[in-house]
Amino acid sequence: KAGVTQTPRYLIKTRGQQVTLSCSPISGHRSVSWYQQTPGQGLQFLFEYFSETQRNKGNFPGRFSGRQFSNSRSEMNVSTLELGDSALYLCASSLGAGQDSYEQYFGPGTRLTVT
Amino acid sequence: KNQVEQSPQSLIILEGKNCTLQCNYTVSPFSNLRWYKQDTGRGPVSLTIMTFSENTKSNGRYTATLDADTKQSSLHITASQLSDSASYICVVTTLSSYKLIFGSGTRLLVRP
Repeated sequence: KAGVTQTPRYLIKTRGQQVTLSCSPISGHRSVSWYQQTPGQGLQFLFEYFSETQRNKGNFPGRFSGRQFSNSRSEMNVSTLELGDSALYLCASSLGAGQDSYEQYFGPGTRLTVT
Repeated sequence: KNQVEQSPQSLIILEGKNCTLQCNYTVSPFSNLRWYKQDTGRGPVSLTIMTFSENTKSNGRYTATLDADTKQSSLHITASQLSDSASYICVVTTLSSYKLIFGSGTRLLVRP
């Protein structure tokens, strides 16, 4: 069974630009969550999608948005990039949503560098 | 404020020794508590997941305990191996809003 895949793996963007990251969950998984990881802040929850609906959202500005498609694949978009957006963006998939205690499987991440 | 605090921040042990990592949380009520292992440059891998009614869960040489009364959890690693060198992250899911609250992690280094 293929694991969670994220594309691209590495990305370099300039301040002010926008970026779209993609996540393909494990087959059969309906929940996709996104996280930002930086050395200073650690892992921070961005949002969770379940059956194409945003189920939960972390404390990030509106520049961060996402969506989920009918095949459970998800995309995350960051507009008007800032230097502080440089981070490892992780995607995780699970059969169900968090409260149901389903195990989350993380992808390898997309390393975004903003210059 | 919902918080998850882990200690120690970093730890160095010799191969073959045991160690215990701590996680204290103020999240209440909570849905579940998870421990993850994250190797450098990789995504976290789930080690254990416990609901509020469970007080221990094992996964090979990893054993997690949970005391919901004192709001403490620990991860015990037995007979450490070099491959245990990683960051260990404690995560608590809130029951009210289903948000995940992450600890800052403990960086473990196992030396030969």
